[in-house]
Amino acid sequence: DGGITQSPKYLFRKEGQNVTLSCEQNLNHDAMYWYRQDPGQGLRLIYYSQIVNDFQKGDIAEGYSVSREKKESFPLTVTSAQKNPTAFYLCASSPWTGGDRYGYTFGSGTRLTVV
Amino acid sequence: AQKVTQAQTEISVVEKEDVTLDCVYETRDTTYYLFWYKQPPSGELVFLIRRNSFDEQNEISGRYSWNFQKSTSSFNFTITASQVVDSAVYFCALRGYNKLIFGAGTRLAVHP
Repeated sequence: DGGITQSPKYLFRKEGQNVTLSCEQNLNHDAMYWYRQDPGQGLRLIYYSQIVNDFQKGDIAEGYSVSREKKESFPLTVTSAQKNPTAFYLCASSPWTGGDRYGYTFGSGTRLTVV
Repeated sequence: AQKVTQAQTEISVVEKEDVTLDCVYETRDTTYYLFWYKQPPSGELVFLIRRNSFDEQNEISGRYSWNFQKSTSSFNFTITASQVVDSAVYFCALRGYNKLIFGAGTRLAVHP
């Protein structure tokens, strides 16, 4: 079945460490997105990519980095510069930016906790 | 600016009650799309409905119904005869340029 796989489901990070969240899709979608979810704040866009080897900052890109070397993969690195990284991270994809009739297809998320 | 407001942070109901989740949006676009998603405890967002700005007809799908009113920039979601399985966080979203813009979400708790 086609879909988006995010791993790991839970991730613990020590302060000062970089961590990378994985996102893989087999839907042949061109566009991919990373959102951050905090209680009471909805989903905020971190980065998005419209095509391989290209990506754009979203609303809260500071302290994060991404790469898009393959169509299927859009990993997110949470760097030590991110002051408050504890959150739930959702990856999504769509055939093109702005979404198709379903909006986006979402992964099941990674919950990152800084210890 | 484009914005989605879900003023209800949490709603608690008893099973079989009807419940309405409010969504108010702002956009200057004449053509736009609105969405509702459900986020169960597992975390994945599940698509419920898409509505385009040209179609103001209300839609019903089983126990779910949606009321779209352009005049008040609202796209409200009603669950009739709620069930415990409806407990989740519900998000309203507006398609902006190159992204979906989400509201803060409404957490619905349905108690037996």
